[in-house]
Amino acid sequence: AQSVTQLGSHVSVSEGALVLLRCNYSSSVPPYLFWYVQYPNQGLQLLLKYTSAATLVKGINGFEAEFKKSETSFHLTKPSAHMSDAAEYFCAVSAGGTASKLTFGTGTRLQVTL
Amino acid sequence: KAGVTQTPRYLIKTRGQQVTLSCSPISGHRSVSWYQQTPGQGLQFLFEYFSETQRNKGNFPGRFSGRQFSNSRSEMNVSTLELGDSALYLCASSSRQGQPQHFGDGTRLSIL
Repeated sequence: AQSVTQLGSHVSVSEGALVLLRCNYSSSVPPYLFWYVQYPNQGLQLLLKYTSAATLVKGINGFEAEFKKSETSFHLTKPSAHMSDAAEYFCAVSAGGTASKLTFGTGTRLQVTL
Repeated sequence: KAGVTQTPRYLIKTRGQQVTLSCSPISGHRSVSWYQQTPGQGLQFLFEYFSETQRNKGNFPGRFSGRQFSNSRSEMNVSTLELGDSALYLCASSSRQGQPQHFGDGTRLSIL
């Protein structure tokens, strides 16, 4: 079975500051890990994915995440926040080898202030 | 390439009724999954279909059912609606095993 814990339901950063959204996972098998973003009244957009290749994964819009097996973490970072990054972010896990039956974290709402 | 299309976008029903939601996957995608999103329970997996067969199922009562057609389009049905079924229902498609899912904008179902 898989589970995901996202630390911090709300994160606020200043425009231009570092964005760090935390995700820890639990999986009985090697996992696939994903970050999705959701804007108001929209579905989920894939930011990036880890599927057992490189541990540092680069995604869209300047986001990246590092898979750390020893820490069971997959934190999402962006060097410089932009106002347009304000949204809700979800970390998700699936059993390795398949990207279906995603188990999501509870989400982190990112606020970007001037 | 067109994305995942869900219809309708909004739906209002009353308790006891039934509802059918539709999802058209990205062209060429054969796997379709459904998720329920609520403020209280978050995002929960309902079921996945691949080549017209249910491949995975989440922990939802039998009132929730789905099917997939030969053109990969999928429908989800909820019978005997309850107030707690009010949610955003999201459909996602993927091309093959191991490929990430791409989501539609969802159908927002409100039960009165």
